[in-house]
Amino acid sequence: LAKTTQPISMDSYEGQEVNITCSHNNIATNDYITWYQQFPSQGPRFIIQGYKTKVTNEVASLFIPADRKSSTLSLPRVSLSDTAVYYCLVGLSNFGNEKLTFGTGTRLTIIP
Amino acid sequence: NAGVTQTPKFRVLKTGQSMTLLCAQDMNHEYMYWYRQDPGMGLRLIHYSVGEGTTAKGEVPDGYNVSRLKKQNFLLGLESAAPSQTSVYFCASNPEPGGMNTEAFFGQGTRLTVV
Repeated sequence: LAKTTQPISMDSYEGQEVNITCSHNNIATNDYITWYQQFPSQGPRFIIQGYKTKVTNEVASLFIPADRKSSTLSLPRVSLSDTAVYYCLVGLSNFGNEKLTFGTGTRLTIIP
Repeated sequence: NAGVTQTPKFRVLKTGQSMTLLCAQDMNHEYMYWYRQDPGMGLRLIHYSVGEGTTAKGEVPDGYNVSRLKKQNFLLGLESAAPSQTSVYFCASNPEPGGMNTEAFFGQGTRLTVV
């Protein structure tokens, strides 16, 4: 399984764009990059997934450089409700990586 | 559509007691997982299953057993509870990892306290 490294915590003001970077130097060819969000006292929730370049949905964007050794989750114009822990996961490839393994995540705090 | 449902939501056990946590999913997913999350920590994988009748160990399996007799249910058992097993337990399911848009769905958690 590819090991991931994320900042432990980040603070940001409301209305700003927040970028959280995840390093995954030993990502495998068939690995995907997936981000989850977890609010206090709730289970994690899927945000976005990508393989290369850029993916955008109604919640976030995911930027993946050509070497795929890192990825950046971008949250546009954050609000207080975006305060949560964000997890970067690498794996879940098409070739039987059954384990869904979480790291320690990034605790994002939005300041009014 | 209920998604992933965990039973019970809260439980207090005495040291040495046993209990079973139930996870039920109604999405016909193949893969199911049990995690524990201690305060301020990330999720740690206890056991997982890749289909009915299968189970496998995760990162922290000691002290726990699991069974997947039916595809929709994944049971987590504590045979002799210890205070170190005080935690919040999350269950998740996934259609089959791999490829785009294969997100995992999580239950709301079971808060277990062992005294």
